Amino acid sequence: DGGITQSPKYLFRKEGQNVTLSCEQNLNHDAMYWYRQDPGQGLRLIYYSQIVNDFQKGDIAEGYSVSREKKESFPLTVTSAQKNPTAFYLCASSILAGTEAFFGQGTRLTVV
Amino acid sequence: GENVEQHPSTLSVQEGDSAVIKCTYSDSASNYFPWYKQELGKRPQLIIDIRSNVGEKKDQRIAVTLNKTAKHFSLHITETQPEDSAVYFCAASIGSSNTGKLIFGQGTTLQVKP
Repeated sequence: DGGITQSPKYLFRKEGQNVTLSCEQNLNHDAMYWYRQDPGQGLRLIYYSQIVNDFQKGDIAEGYSVSREKKESFPLTVTSAQKNPTAFYLCASSILAGTEAFFGQGTRLTVV
Repeated sequence: GENVEQHPSTLSVQEGDSAVIKCTYSDSASNYFPWYKQELGKRPQLIIDIRSNVGEKKDQRIAVTLNKTAKHFSLHITETQPEDSAVYFCAASIGSSNTGKLIFGQGTTLQVKP
């Protein structure tokens, strides 16, 4: 809920361009996650990070990249290699892995 | 691989009836099972969760049951109301507490008809 912020809410990208989605939390959480939401497919894990300067690929990492240089920030870059990037992207954080995850309000990315 | 299966994908009930959503998970080491509710255009929010050392948990009209042997858990909503209409997601923690991740089911769209 409050304390985790995604920006922008809506984002338009031209084909072939990279774009970066922002995710910031002030909850002092160690773990952060990026999910992609498509109709009928639930929340699919893109990348996750348990601590600063470390992150792991999720189930659909191809065409995406992340960084975790600061505890409070976990930006996601959607690269031109992602074949079908139009989706709703959700960032989440939790105190530790395996505890309650709090979600940001999401970014809806549209490729035009 | 690691996954969480959720059924049904859609559920329609009459106001006042009960609704049950079921999930199965693949990793026997999973120890945390939350349920999230997502209203249209909003972020998912936790409604109830359960840990592997407990078989059942209740919170007013909502309950969750866990069968570790069968690796499945269920959400029960009693006396449903129109405001319960939303998409519900189950999830399971996969991996250890230090390196784990949260994997979600495909979601169930619940419609409660007045």
